[in-house]
Amino acid sequence: DAGVIQSPRHEVTEMGQEVTLRCKPISGHDYLFWYRQTMMRGLELLIYFNNNVPIDDSGMPEDRFSAKMPNASFSTLKIQPSEPRDSAVYFCASRPSSGVYNEQFFGPGTRLTVL
Amino acid sequence: TQLLEQSPQFLSIQEGENLTVYCNSSSVFSSLQWYRQEPGEGPVLLVTVVTGGEVKKLKRLTFQFGDARKDSSLHITAAQPGDTGLYLCAGAPPNTGNQFYFGTGTSLTVIP
Repeated sequence: DAGVIQSPRHEVTEMGQEVTLRCKPISGHDYLFWYRQTMMRGLELLIYFNNNVPIDDSGMPEDRFSAKMPNASFSTLKIQPSEPRDSAVYFCASRPSSGVYNEQFFGPGTRLTVL
Repeated sequence: TQLLEQSPQFLSIQEGENLTVYCNSSSVFSSLQWYRQEPGEGPVLLVTVVTGGEVKKLKRLTFQFGDARKDSSLHITAAQPGDTGLYLCAGAPPNTGNQFYFGTGTSLTVIP
């Protein structure tokens, strides 16, 4: 298995632009998580899905952020409009419902820079 | 508000030395995980502890969960350059199911 796939790996954009981050979870995994990592705040859970349904989005910082999971093999995290404070590394993770101790498998991340 | 505080934040040691990193909280967790993250990659799970007082060993790494399930430690014996990375603890509060809260991490550098 290729593991969790994220694209793009790096994104540089200007303030006000729309940014879309993509994730392909591991096949057969029922849960998908979006995290954001910064030096100041560490790794924060933004939202997670179970069987393509958003379960908890309380970590989404504001209305500029939205996430979708149209099918079991694809999810997007969109920021519109983007701001410099959104600069961070965004991780997608997935896990199966039958996994031991809720082990999450992380993708390599997308490094976002908003100028 | 950071539920999990890790210390030290940065640690640089010589190859062969021993070290301990700590993960502390005022909250109780039903389980606690330790991850290692290398530059440019996502975190990778090392261990999960679920019972207060539990000790798990993974080769040169020893993990302990506090009796009250509020804190944990990771001890590395005879550190090697391959141990270099960011060590993250993550705790799951009771009855939250899938939500893990991550600490800010300890960045370890092992100098050859």
